[in-house]
Amino acid sequence: EAGVAQSPRYKIIEKRQSVAFWCNPISGHATLYWYQQILGQGPKLLIQFQNNGVVDDSQLPKDRFSAERLKGVDSTLKIQPAKLEDSAVYLCASSLFPDTQYFGPGTRLTVL
Amino acid sequence: GNSVTQMEGPVTLSEEAFLTINCTYTATGYPSLFWYVQYPGEGLQLLLKATKADDKGSNKGFEATYRKETTSFHLEKGSVQVSDSAVYFCALSELGSGGGADGLTFGKGTHLIIQP
Repeated sequence: EAGVAQSPRYKIIEKRQSVAFWCNPISGHATLYWYQQILGQGPKLLIQFQNNGVVDDSQLPKDRFSAERLKGVDSTLKIQPAKLEDSAVYLCASSLFPDTQYFGPGTRLTVL
Repeated sequence: GNSVTQMEGPVTLSEEAFLTINCTYTATGYPSLFWYVQYPGEGLQLLLKATKADDKGSNKGFEATYRKETTSFHLEKGSVQVSDSAVYFCALSELGSGGGADGLTFGKGTHLIIQP
């Protein structure tokens, strides 16, 4: 069974530029999550989708971050404009059962 | 809100030593508890989980018991190997109103270094 796929794996941009990350969850997984992991910290939930509806986006900085999950499968996370403090690893996870999430390899973003 | 506190690292041990990484949590309901591991250069992997009080999760020689009375989920291993060197994250999630799991709340992670 293929795991959660993410791309790109690395991205370097300058502040005020925009960037987008893509996630393809495990086939059949209805729930998809985006997390932000700043160096030296645990991941923090940004947004959770159930199929193509948003369940929780309370920690998403909506003035600059947006996310969508069209057709309930793939998802994209966008940052526009990026700030220095957005430098982090962005993790996508998916789940079938209520209590086990499977993580992708992450996208490492560096904002200069 | 929910929170997870785990011991600060790095934790440095010799091979074959006994390992304990402490984890305590605060939750509003009845969470499921997890240990995830991140090996160098790799993504987060589920190590073990427990979904209710007194459950013991185990995998690859690691164990953790869900202790509701002390709100703890300490990770233990009897004899560590160099290959266990990684960052370990304690986490919790609760069942959401829609039936799916809420997002995970993670601790800050504990960097474990095993010396030969």
